[in-house]
Amino acid sequence: QVQLVQSGAEVKKPGASVKVSCKTSGYTFTGYYIYWVRQAPGQGLEWVGRINPNSGDTYYAQSFQGRLTVTRDTSISTVYMELSSLTSDDTSVYFCARVRASGETWFDPWGQGTLVTVSS
Amino acid sequence: ENVLTQSPATLSLSPGERATLSCRASQSVRSYLAWYQQKPGQAPRLLIYDASKRAIGIPARFSGSGSGTDFTLTISSLEPEDSAIYYCQQCSDWPLTFGGGTKVEIK
Repeated sequence: QVQLVQSGAEVKKPGASVKVSCKTSGYTFTGYYIYWVRQAPGQGLEWVGRINPNSGDTYYAQSFQGRLTVTRDTSISTVYMELSSLTSDDTSVYFCARVRASGETWFDPWGQGTLVTVSS
Repeated sequence: ENVLTQSPATLSLSPGERATLSCRASQSVRSYLAWYQQKPGQAPRLLIYDASKRAIGIPARFSGSGSGTDFTLTISSLEPEDSAIYYCQQCSDWPLTFGGGTKVEIK
């Protein structure tokens, strides 16, 4: 079955960077876009960015431009999200999600989420 | 940005009752709207996409309707396991946006 398994929780200081991984299995890695969505504690969902695992092309939400980098390693079917210049506002659970079908922008399935805590 | 407004914020109903959740877009999204269910400590789960199509494995008591700016998620007969927060999401325009969520509580 299709699975997305994310790396574990992180605690970072303000100004630092964090890199979260999303290891996929059960399907052709290069056939489906992967998106990142975050959720601040007790809050709603916010789209962060996406990658085309086939080409490596990325597209980021404007509010993250300049400090977000999404990459992939096709040899191990894994996508990475790196966010720099962290502030307390970046404290959130970060989810990776695969599109339901190629060409769509509905998310199914999702990874389990990675809590990133930014605190001095 | 296309803002999605969900109402009500909280819905408290008994098992077997019908739940009607609303999602209103600030600009037309045609039929490019999905609904997700999220339980505490879990990732969201896709319920409905393209406004009215049920995702694989989703029970028939969940249905979606609407187009343009007004959408509805209906749970025809609530089960205890339907207690969750429900989010709508549009992909008609960039950036992708989500509604603020409706919390469904089972009495």
